[in-house]
Amino acid sequence: QQPVQSPQAVILREGEDAVINCSSSKALYSVHWYRQKHGEAPVFLMILLKGGEQKGHDKISASFNEKKQQSSLYLTASQLSYSGTYFCGTDGSSNTGKLIFGQGTTLQVKP
Amino acid sequence: GAGVSQSPSNKVTEKGKDVELRCDPISGHTALYWYRQSLGQGLEFLIYFQGNSAPDKSGLPSDRFSAERTGGSVSTLTIQRTQQEDSAVYLCASSLEAGGRKFFGPGTRLTVL
Repeated sequence: QQPVQSPQAVILREGEDAVINCSSSKALYSVHWYRQKHGEAPVFLMILLKGGEQKGHDKISASFNEKKQQSSLYLTASQLSYSGTYFCGTDGSSNTGKLIFGQGTTLQVKP
Repeated sequence: GAGVSQSPSNKVTEKGKDVELRCDPISGHTALYWYRQSLGQGLEFLIYFQGNSAPDKSGLPSDRFSAERTGGSVSTLTIQRTQQEDSAVYLCASSLEAGGRKFFGPGTRLTVL
């Protein structure tokens, strides 16, 4: 079952914050986040393994609520380089690394 | 250190022809994944390998699609009797271990005329 991402698209000004949500109807072992710029391959951001786990990466952080089967990606003080499409990938209980990706959230940061 | 490489980068073929897409993962990575991305769409899982074994082929769209991996390294995705709906970017990714961080290759853009 494909996870649902929201919003589908967001436009920000530099310095503004954004939250991208990822929701699954199935129990999850982990949630992975990737960013893809136009014409390029997806690039890894972070993996969240435990319920309630939070991680940070520069000004990008994420949380994972195992009970709610949801994850959120937080982009703080956005920079132009944050523009791209963000995908969450969910791994069921088997930890095979087989990720089912959401449809993506397109983020555009303007000067 | 080289990343994941894929060849060819672009492939244009006629409907009904067979194509082979190649993926060279990062050396030492045991897990290898194939995904497909249609224009403006998300990443669709096709198949993954742990070593040379493919425990999960559930994502392959039809029996025209097959894949193999040899020597725990190179993988080939074969599409027989290509159809126009097969047109997409085919992405390969590898990871050191199953469930770990994935490194994606640049993809092969397949166009079926």
